Amino acid sequence: DIQMTQSPSTLSASVGDKVTITCRASQGISSWLAWYQQKPGQAPKLLMYKASTLESGVPSRFSGSGSGTEFTLTISSLQPDDFATYYCQQYNSYSHSFGQGTKLEIK
Amino acid sequence: QVQLVESGGGVAQPGGSLRLSCAASGFTFSDYAIHWVRQAPGKGLDWVAVMSYDGTVKYYTDSVKGRFTVSRDNSKNTLYLQMNSLRVEDTAVYYCARDFYGLGIGYFDYWGQGALVTVS
Repeated sequence: DIQMTQSPSTLSASVGDKVTITCRASQGISSWLAWYQQKPGQAPKLLMYKASTLESGVPSRFSGSGSGTEFTLTISSLQPDDFATYYCQQYNSYSHSFGQGTKLEIK
Repeated sequence: QVQLVESGGGVAQPGGSLRLSCAASGFTFSDYAIHWVRQAPGKGLDWVAVMSYDGTVKYYTDSVKGRFTVSRDNSKNTLYLQMNSLRVEDTAVYYCARDFYGLGIGYFDYWGQGALVTVS
């Protein structure tokens, strides 16, 4: 099975900061990677798919890059609504494994 | 609008059974694969199972193989997860999620609100 590893596990930042979350796959997954945002008590929400394609309605301050085994999610200027937990997910295989999550906290 | 609504959660004893349902509306249910994803209290997301649009393709994570069975009734726009031989470690919120593609190898564009399963 493909293992997904995110870093960091926790990230403290301030409104207006630029932040980057990294996701690594244990084997190549081309660009078959999605990013989700989850807030406490809510279901995850799709942010990005195919590594760098923004889902409709998601603010343009979110961007994604990468292919193969290394991927990044960048938020260019943090807004109060962005403090949440972020997950990467591969869909190169049916196992659809997720990273362990990155909790973005207010500094 | 697209909606997925889970039901059937509750408390079961170890070794017991529960059946979850995922009722869909707002789209042509029979065109899409649907997944089950779970989240243990305070933990991350854990993919559980998928069924293709027509029911011909089913996959499970290793930890539930032989215990959980996914099925669907396209006439009722509903996906099911039959959970047998439940273990304490199956305790989680269970989400159903729509796959962008029919065969079930895409990303998840819509999610339900989740159903809590407690095994104790």
